[in-house]
Amino acid sequence: AQKITQTQPGMFVQEKEAVTLDCTYDTSDQSYGLFWYKQPSSGEMIFLIYQGSYDEQNATEGRYSLNFQKARKSANLVISASQLGDSAMYFCAMRAISSGSARQLTFGSGTQLTVLP
Amino acid sequence: NAGVTQTPKFQVLKTGQSMTLQCAQDMNHEYMSWYRQDPGMGLRLIHYSVGAGITDQGEVPNGYNVSRSTTEDFPLRLLSAAPSQTSVYFCASRPSGGGRQPQHFGDGTRLSIL
Repeated sequence: AQKITQTQPGMFVQEKEAVTLDCTYDTSDQSYGLFWYKQPSSGEMIFLIYQGSYDEQNATEGRYSLNFQKARKSANLVISASQLGDSAMYFCAMRAISSGSARQLTFGSGTQLTVLP
Repeated sequence: NAGVTQTPKFQVLKTGQSMTLQCAQDMNHEYMSWYRQDPGMGLRLIHYSVGAGITDQGEVPNGYNVSRSTTEDFPLRLLSAAPSQTSVYFCASRPSGGGRQPQHFGDGTRLSIL
């Protein structure tokens, strides 16, 4: 079974500052992928960034980067230079790649990020 | 680009009524899935399909049925609506193979059961 834990129900950050959203996971699978999604108040789910368990480098996508620490089973999302439009709910999710599991996403409970002007 | 289309966007039902939430994708994705989102609980998998004619249960399947007669469509049926099924429902799809492929989500259906 897989489990995703996001321990920060809410976070505040000042505009233009960086913020880290925490995500820890638990899985017995050796090969898996970690995803971050953004859900603005309008409700849609927007894919942000992906990290594979065997990727040698931390993933980056524009202002988003992933601080992946495999031994600690953590995959924290770092948003640099926060913008007001970054205010949203952020979900960490994982999916087993190699096992015969559902191969569907398991989500954390989310972190509500508010960017302050 | 239509992507994943869910209908309706909003629905109010009375306890005991049945209804079908529609989901269609135009990306020829093999994998499709249904999630429900409740406050403080993230998204939970209801049912999923890895191809036409193949479906399986997720984490919270009770009270829901699915079928997959075509690659494009994956409807979710509530057999006898209960207040506990009040939630936001998301349909998602992705291509098979390649774990890097993210799931593409529809805009959701907000369902209230009175």
